[in-house]
Order: sequence, then C-alpha cells, then structure tokens
Amino acid sequence: AQTVTQSQPEMSVQEAETVTLSCTYDTSESDYYLFWYKQPPSRQMILVIRQEAYKQQNATENRFSVNFQKAAKSFSLKISDSQLGDAAMYFCAYKTGWYGGATNKLIFGTGTLLAVQP
Amino acid sequence: DSGVTQTPKHLITATGQRVTLRCSPRSGDLSVYWYQQSLDQGLQFLIQYYNGEERAKGNILERFSAQQFPDLHSELNLSSLELGDSALYFCASSAGPRGATEAEAFFGQGTRLTVV
Repeated sequence: AQTVTQSQPEMSVQEAETVTLSCTYDTSESDYYLFWYKQPPSRQMILVIRQEAYKQQNATENRFSVNFQKAAKSFSLKISDSQLGDAAMYFCAYKTGWYGGATNKLIFGTGTLLAVQP
Repeated sequence: DSGVTQTPKHLITATGQRVTLRCSPRSGDLSVYWYQQSLDQGLQFLIQYYNGEERAKGNILERFSAQQFPDLHSELNLSSLELGDSALYFCASSAGPRGATEAEAFFGQGTRLTVV
C-alpha cells in the first residue's frame, strides 16, 4: 500500500523568506500524481500544486515550486517570498495513475503546520 | 470557490443520534470522495463513489454509510453517534478515475460535526 510521510509537524519562516516543506512517499507504482494542499484556519482544502510522476520537470505555480525526486521518492514544496497568508497546514498527497485501479483516492500525509512571522 | 457544496456547514447533535451530510460535486464530476479529519488525526479516507456505484472503502465504520444519487450528489449517513465521531467531514469530487485531467480532486468546505 502507498504511504505518505511528512516528517516536519511544524515549521516557521520569516515573512519574505523561503521555506521548504518535506514529503516522502512509498509506492511500487510508476504512474502516479503528487499534490500539495493548503489548509488555512478556515479549514478549506486548497490545491497548491500538482506533479505528474512521468514529468521530469518540476512543477511551479507562482511562488510555489516543488523538488520532485522520483528515485528517492521525495516531493518537497518550496515557498518563496513567504507571505502572512501562507500560514496554514500543508498536506502532501499521493494519487495512483493506474488506469486499472479500483480507486484513485488521495492518500495524505499528516501535515506540516507553517507559521509565518512578520 | 471549489464548486463542491457541502451542507450543513456545522452540525451539533447528541450521542446516539443519526445525521446526514450532503455533498453536491462540481458540475460534470462523476467521482465523490468522503474524508474525515479529526483534531488529532490527518485526513482519513472513508469511501468513494463513481457514477452512482461504490468504488472503494477506507476506514469507514459500520455505523456510517453513504450513497450517490442519479443526479450525482452524495450523502454520508452517520448513526449511533459517539463523542469520538466529532470531526470535520470533507467531500471531494473529481471528473473520473482515469486521466491526467481527472487527477485533481476539489474539496468542499466541510461539515463540522460536534457530538455532545
């Protein structure tokens, strides 16, 4: 079974600085998707960024980028120029890309709580 | 706005009672997923429906059940409620089980259930 591990329960960053959140996963599949979701105090789950395993190029979305290391099964999120609004719980998630799979549910890590200091 | 609508937003009920949570997926999405998020736990997958049929079960208690209707909305029924069932219940939807464009799941705002 696939698992997702986030080893940093809490992180802190100064406003305008850069922070990297770590995520590792375990799978025997070759085709899959990885995601970072943000959960602010409102508790809404917001998709931040997505990475397809077959793509070697790391995904970027404005100030958010990932470092996808497929062989190492590592998927870290880098937030540049951190803003107060970035303060939230961040979840790493895995989803199978196998067409024949019974389900393509998201498998989540335990989350990293990011604080942004002014 | 994700396009996924969950009602009610808040629910307070007593132990032993039964409640129904409702989810309307994004227009055109065929898959609906239910997740439970307790204070001391992450997001636990409960169940998935695809186009009206149950697709997969996760850590869903026997006291809980769900269904997806022909109009694709879904309901999660929680019965014989216990204090430990207090949690945030999320519904998410995606277009289907296959394809890169269908990989994204969009979440509703959740239903916060408090059992007293």
